[in-house]
Amino acid sequence: AQSVTQLDSQVPVFEEAPVELRCNYSSSVSVYLFWYVQYPNQGLQLLLKYLSGSTLVKGINGFEAEFNKSQTSFHLRKPSVHISDTAEYFCAVSEGNFNKFYFGSGTKLNVKP
Amino acid sequence: DADVTQTPRNRITKTGKRIMLECSQTKGHDRMYWYRQDPGLGLRLIYYSFDVKDINKGEISDGYSVSRQAQAKFSLSLESAIPNQTALYFCATSRTTNTGELFFGEGSRLTVL
Repeated sequence: AQSVTQLDSQVPVFEEAPVELRCNYSSSVSVYLFWYVQYPNQGLQLLLKYLSGSTLVKGINGFEAEFNKSQTSFHLRKPSVHISDTAEYFCAVSEGNFNKFYFGSGTKLNVKP
Repeated sequence: DADVTQTPRNRITKTGKRIMLECSQTKGHDRMYWYRQDPGLGLRLIYYSFDVKDINKGEISDGYSVSRQAQAKFSLSLESAIPNQTALYFCATSRTTNTGELFFGEGSRLTVL
């Protein structure tokens, strides 16, 4: 089974500052990578995904992520955060045929004014 | 109206009681999933179903059972609830020929006293 590691459980940051949320996965086989966001009292929604092609993936709300195969990482970045970005962010991995998805433990982003 | 609807949204019950969490979807997806979310542990897969006649165990199926009553309905049961089943439960759906996106309900918060 896959293992997804999000090293930072909480990331506090001031508004308009840049942020990076880290994600590493275990598999050396081909994988598909995702970032989901969970706003308070809501379900998860897809932020962005990497399936193939360019290793830099752009998502909604100005977020982007870079797939690094050699480092088995898929870090999420935003150059300037807003208060409204306060949420919990989950990295997820799926193999081959999308039968199963493995989620990391989540990173709570707290954007302060 | 939400595309993936979970009922109840909140439930408090006692140890030993039977509980059913229901999920219905209007997205026309074949695949449905039940996940459990615990603080610091992310989402863990309980059961998944690729069609009405296909039910599969996930990582943490012990103590749970499921029923796929129709393409649009997938229920999770706790036959005899115990306190460590206190968690936030999510139902999710995806297409069979999908590009990896899961669509989540808003969650069912279960407390077992």
